[in-house]
Order: sequence, then structure tokens, then C-alpha cells
Amino acid sequence: QVQLVQSGAEVKKPGASVKVSCKASGYTFTSYGISWVRQAPGQGLEWMGWISAYNGNTNYAQKLQGRVTMTTDTSTSTAYMELRSLRSDDTAVYYCARRYCSSTSCYKGSWDYWGQGTLVTVSS
Amino acid sequence: DIQMTQSPSSLSASVGDRVTITCRASQSISSYLNWYQQKPGKAPKLLIYAASSLQSGVPSRFSGSGSGTDFTLTISSLQPEDFATYYCQQSYISITFGQGTRLEIK
Repeated sequence: QVQLVQSGAEVKKPGASVKVSCKASGYTFTSYGISWVRQAPGQGLEWMGWISAYNGNTNYAQKLQGRVTMTTDTSTSTAYMELRSLRSDDTAVYYCARRYCSSTSCYKGSWDYWGQGTLVTVSS
Repeated sequence: DIQMTQSPSSLSASVGDRVTITCRASQSISSYLNWYQQKPGKAPKLLIYAASSLQSGVPSRFSGSGSGTDFTLTISSLQPEDFATYYCQQSYISITFGQGTRLEIK
């Protein structure tokens, strides 16, 4: 069965970086894009960006441009999200999610499988 | 950025009720609209994609409609497991979410 398993919780100081992993199993990793979505405590959902697991192409949310980098390692079927220059308002649960594809089309913004979430806490 | 506005922000309803949640986009997004359900401490779950297509495995009491700027999510007969927060999301230009609608038990 399809699974996305994320790395564990992190505590970081302001100005540091964090790298969250998302290991995929149960499907052909390179056939589906991966998005990252975060959710601050008690708040709504925020899309961070997307990476093609096929060719590594990326598309980042404008708000995070310059601070976020998404990569994949096809040898281990793992996606990574690195966020730099962390601030207190980056404290959130970070999710990876797989783009939904029907037999004929893939749907941007439609994610059918999600990781369990990784809590990143930024605090001095 | 395209702004997505959901109404109401919260809603109290009873098991068996018919419930409608509205989502309005700040500009036309064609049918690039998805609906997600999220329960506390869990990842969101895709309910509806492309405005009106029911995701596989989602009960048929959920339905979506609309195009352009105005969209609705309807639950025809609320079940206990439907009490959750619902988000609309546009994917026409970049990706943005509505602020969420919290559906509570009356």
C-alpha cells in the first residue's frame, strides 16, 4: 500500500535550518509529484511548494522563495524539504503529500496520500 | 495571490442534517477547486477534486459543485464521522486554501 513516512519532530533555534524527509513506498516514486504543506498551531493550511520526482523540477510558493529547497533521492524514494533562516512563525506541522493522478490525468493541488506530519518548533 | 473565502467559518449541525459550505475565489479559477477534510491531529483528506469529482473511497453523501468564483461542498446527511474542519483550495494560479470551516456537533 502507498505510504509516506516522514522524519521525526525537530526543535530549532531562530536562524537555523531544518531538513524534513518523506520516504515513499508502495508505488513508483518517479511517477508522482510531491508537495509540501504546513500548518501552524491552530491555523489553516499553507502550500509551500512542489517537486517533480521524475525530473526534480520545482515550484515554490512566492512567500518562501529563497528560503526553501525541495529535493528528491530516487535511489531511496525519499523527498526532502529544507527550510533556512528559521523564524518563530515557521513553527508548524509540515506535511508531504503525493499528487493525485487518475488513469488519464494528474491534478495539481489534489493530493491523495499524505505523510503523518512533522512538527518543527522554532524557539530560542 | 488568489484569495479563497469560505463561509461559514464554523457551523453547528446534527446527525442527519444536510450541510452546505461555500467557497468564493477572488477571481475566476475555472474548476481548479479541491475540497479537503481534516480531523484533529491528522493529515487532510481529499474529498473532491476539480470542483465536482468525488475522490475514490469518499462516501457519496459528499458532493461538490460550482465553477468560476463560487463553489459549494454539500454533505447530504451528516454522519458522526463527518464532524471535522473542511478546507477549499484553488490550484488555478499557485495554490491557496480557504481559512477553513469547522463543523461541530449541535
